[in-house]
Amino acid sequence: DGGITQSPKYLFRKEGQNVTLSCEQNLNHDAMYWYRQDPGQGLRLIYYSQIVNDFQKGDIAEGYSVSREKKESFPLTVTSAQKNPTAFYLCASISRGDYGYTFGSGTRLTVV
Amino acid sequence: AQSVTQLDSHVSVSEGTPVLLRCNYSSSYSPSLFWYVQHPNKGLQLLLKYTSAATLVKGINGFEAEFKKSETSFHLTKPSAHMSDAAEYFCVVSDAPKAGTALIFGKGTTLSVSS
Repeated sequence: DGGITQSPKYLFRKEGQNVTLSCEQNLNHDAMYWYRQDPGQGLRLIYYSQIVNDFQKGDIAEGYSVSREKKESFPLTVTSAQKNPTAFYLCASISRGDYGYTFGSGTRLTVV
Repeated sequence: AQSVTQLDSHVSVSEGTPVLLRCNYSSSYSPSLFWYVQHPNKGLQLLLKYTSAATLVKGINGFEAEFKKSETSFHLTKPSAHMSDAAEYFCVVSDAPKAGTALIFGKGTTLSVSS
């Protein structure tokens, strides 16, 4: 079955450490997105990519980095510059010409 | 600029009674509108979408929503709540989803269903 796979499901980060969240899709979707979810805040856009080797900052990109070397993959790195990284992170994708976004099941990141 | 406002952060209903989750939007263009549902620690599932066709949109699990341009609203309804409907619901707007532009999310409404 096609879908989006996010891993790991739970991730713990020490202070000052960089961590990378994985997002892989086998839907042949063109565009991919990273959102951050905090209680009562809805989802806020971190980065998005509409084609391979290109990506744009969203509303809250500071302290995060991404790459899009393959169409199927859009990893998110949470750097030590992100001062409050504890949150639920969701990856999504869409095929150009479609209206339906597909979401992964999320990664919960906690700073310890 | 696009924006979406969910008018209630929390709605509580009894099982078998109607559900109404309210959403107002702001958009410079003819928007596409969506409702997503999220169960605890899960990803988001699309309930329904409006993309300039029929103004009354039917979705999964008995939910439906009506696009009212004059009121800039897209309220979500269900005639009879079920315990399994308890979740968080997001109203979402996008000016150009076909072009791959990002979705704009409301802050969510938590639906509680009591027996």
